[in-house]
Amino acid sequence: EAQVTQNPRYLITVTGKKLTVTCSQNMNHEYMSWYRQDPGLGLRQIYYSMNVEVTDKGDVPEGYKVSRKEKRNFPLILESPSPNQTSLYFCASSPRTSGRVEELFFGEGSRLTVL
Amino acid sequence: KQEVTQIPAALSVPEGENLVLNCSFTDSAIYNLQWFRQDPGKGLTSLLLIQSSQREQTSGRLNASLDKSSGRSTLYIAASQPGDSATYLCAVGWRGYQKVTFGTGTKLQVIP
Repeated sequence: EAQVTQNPRYLITVTGKKLTVTCSQNMNHEYMSWYRQDPGLGLRQIYYSMNVEVTDKGDVPEGYKVSRKEKRNFPLILESPSPNQTSLYFCASSPRTSGRVEELFFGEGSRLTVL
Repeated sequence: KQEVTQIPAALSVPEGENLVLNCSFTDSAIYNLQWFRQDPGKGLTSLLLIQSSQREQTSGRLNASLDKSSGRSTLYIAASQPGDSATYLCAVGWRGYQKVTFGTGTKLQVIP
């Protein structure tokens, strides 16, 4: 089954404790992206990657890191989480046609709480 | 600035009614537009994708239209059912950019 898998789905952590949210897709998609969703603000892009070893900042990259060592995986790293990073996080992937992002496929989301 | 707006933020209709959800965007240079459904606490499920060269797409009871000149897309839901209750989001892919901008969504409640 074609899917985007995120782990963990739920996480409660404390300020400053490094954490990684994993994202994996099995559709051989070139494009992958991370979003956060907050009430009243909608979905905002954190980072995106157009291919292996190619990553770029989205609208709200501060406090986050990413890497794209393999095509299927795109982990999101919070080096020193703070309470304002409490949010619902989504990973998405998409094929690219002529360099453009096509249909987006989303994971189930990871709800992160930072105390 | 490239912005996407969905009005109203919430909508309540009786079961069986046909309804239209709106999505407006500020830049006519779009590449594609995608409609999603999101259930509470869940991920986004893709409903329809319209390319900039298309005027509409249909899937079952859903029909999405695109009018680039007026900066508007509509999602038409025929014969609404309680199971259609969810938040509907539109997302615009911009020509010339590797970027997708989301609207804040319309929360739909279909009352039995």
